[in-house]
Amino acid sequence: DQQVKQNSPSLSVQEGRISILNCDYTNSMFDYFLWYKKYPAEGPTFLISISSIKDKNEDGRFTVFLNKSAKHLSLHIVPSQPGDSAVYFCAASGDSGGSNYKLTFGKGTLLTVNP
Amino acid sequence: GAVVSQHPSRVICKSGTSVKIECRSLDFQATTMFWYRQFPKQSLMLMATSNEGSKATYEQGVEKDKFLINHASLTLSTLTVTSAHPEDSSFYICSARDIQQGSNYGYTFGSGTRLTVV
Repeated sequence: DQQVKQNSPSLSVQEGRISILNCDYTNSMFDYFLWYKKYPAEGPTFLISISSIKDKNEDGRFTVFLNKSAKHLSLHIVPSQPGDSAVYFCAASGDSGGSNYKLTFGKGTLLTVNP
Repeated sequence: GAVVSQHPSRVICKSGTSVKIECRSLDFQATTMFWYRQFPKQSLMLMATSNEGSKATYEQGVEKDKFLINHASLTLSTLTVTSAHPEDSSFYICSARDIQQGSNYGYTFGSGTRLTVV
């Protein structure tokens, strides 16, 4: 049962354009969402997060949008740069007030930014 | 920022032997550490959650006798793959949670360990 879904395994974008990475979730208990960037043979690197009380969070070139009613979030990268090429994971947590803060990850989307 | 050191980065072992992977939080105390496993082109699958001084909580389907987790201090957790077999070959990643959360919700990941069992 995939509670966090990234339905696009890959995305190719031209340098300078916008990259939009999508993520859907099924568990309504999730209340905190994170995006990670990962290179092969390395651990994930945190990019940006959003709490369920917000619908948008922006940090430089990265913006995350959350649509709670649709259980959907997206990561926008603009402008895209070749160095952004990596696998992007969406993750969710549903225990902001509890003691078990485990993350549930999507399968990832491979972003390729072409020069 | 918070740093998590994971060693070794890669290890090759013979079938039947045991391998220990260390995960250290370098500049913060981690009351909770997580161990993940990633197969090629797959998601990070949580194996177990360990809290300092108590037994680890394993996810469904993970053999606790095969994947021994020890979290003896607030800065160190170890994962031992016992009697390793080729099907245990995978990329193992640890994560430590800083109680002083921050925007990353307190999670910092190690750099991972590539285990190959021959």
